Amino acid sequence: AQKVTQAQTEISVVEKEDVTLDCVYETRDTTYYLFWYKQPPSGELVFLIRRNSFDEQNEISGRYSWNFQKSTSSFNFTITASQVVDSAVYFCALRSNFNKFYFGSGTKLNVKP
Amino acid sequence: NAGVTQTPKFRVLKTGQSMTLLCAQDMNHEYMYWYRQDPGMGLRLIHYSVGEGTTAKGEVPDGYNVSRLKKQNFLLGLESAAPSQTSVYFCASSYHRHLMNTEAFFGQGTRLTVV
Repeated sequence: AQKVTQAQTEISVVEKEDVTLDCVYETRDTTYYLFWYKQPPSGELVFLIRRNSFDEQNEISGRYSWNFQKSTSSFNFTITASQVVDSAVYFCALRSNFNKFYFGSGTKLNVKP
Repeated sequence: NAGVTQTPKFRVLKTGQSMTLLCAQDMNHEYMYWYRQDPGMGLRLIHYSVGEGTTAKGEVPDGYNVSRLKKQNFLLGLESAAPSQTSVYFCASSYHRHLMNTEAFFGQGTRLTVV
């Protein structure tokens, strides 16, 4: 079975705080892909990052960083020094062998000035 | 570069009416998907297609039909709309998983209200 769990429904932080969004996945596939998407209040889905199952290197892009750990089936997303513009719903997703994308229920991040 | 285009962007239907949502992509993607987004439930897959002329059911297919007569288009039909189908609908497309850029590319969404 394929499943993505984002246990944090909503998080509120004050600007400049660091925040980590959790993502736990389940799959029996040996090759799979993980993704994070951002959905700002305007509603579109913006691709942020992909990671394949053979690449456990962490990645940093500006204030964003991702921590992929196969041992715990987690792919967590950290925003450093959060800004109001980071306020959005963030989705973690898994792409399976059968080419379907499975999405978590999303984490709504509220960054207050 | 248009990417994935959905029409219409908004629609209000009366219970029992029918309609078709159109998705068009210009990236030559093999795979296309229809998702619905409801509060607190993330995106749930309705139907998908792995190529022209093929379609398959996702996790919430009841009440919907799809067709992929051309590679670039994926149509989602509601034969007899029900209030439970009030949702935001997203179309997406992607390359084959073994190619680079394996992420899904999304349209802007269609907000459908059934009254």
